[in-house]
Amino acid sequence: GQQVMQIPQYQHVQEGEDFTTYCNSSTTLSNIQWYKQRPGGHPVFLIQLVKSGEVKKQKRLTFQFGEAKKNSSLHITATQTTDVGTYFCADMIKAAGNKLTFGGGTRVLVKP
Amino acid sequence: EAGVVQSPRYKIIEKKQPVAFWCNPISGHNTLYWYLQNLGQGPELLIRYENEEAVDDSQLPKDRFSAERLKGVDSTLKIQPAELGDSAVYLCASSLEADTEAFFGQGTRLTVV
Repeated sequence: GQQVMQIPQYQHVQEGEDFTTYCNSSTTLSNIQWYKQRPGGHPVFLIQLVKSGEVKKQKRLTFQFGEAKKNSSLHITATQTTDVGTYFCADMIKAAGNKLTFGGGTRVLVKP
Repeated sequence: EAGVVQSPRYKIIEKKQPVAFWCNPISGHNTLYWYLQNLGQGPELLIRYENEEAVDDSQLPKDRFSAERLKGVDSTLKIQPAELGDSAVYLCASSLEADTEAFFGQGTRLTVV
């Protein structure tokens, strides 16, 4: 069945540095959504990517959808302590009735 | 505008007891989800509603779990009887349509002892 794999599972980042987290799917995605969950909080929507090769930016966050629509990435520049949390990608396949399936997440820890 | 409201926030019950969670989605949102989240893992879909119809309940353990959304607005999720392994956070989310962003509630943290 459909699986969404996120790597790395943990990301320890020095404040001010950049990092990238990846989301890979075994099948072609209709679209992909990214969410952020702060410690003790609930997932909060960040962005949705729909088109092949699409790139969207939100301040220091850059989201990209792969050309084959089987992977996505989130790149954060100049990491800040406010970036702490778990970043989830969630795939949605229209052929499966728009089922929103989450990956395991990348837990980001920032060292000041 | 109020977000997705869930109650209770916390629940501690003994195993074999029943428990129920309530969710009030954002007004006008047709799609409602119930997810289960274990510590350190991503949310796992239990059931999805389009209005009052359960369109995906393939991952709902139907021997002990049940859900309803009778009027297509608020929803309840029930577990009877609860087992130790049911301890987790139960998240409700809603979206305007099935392929739009999902808004999550604060969740109900269930502890079965």
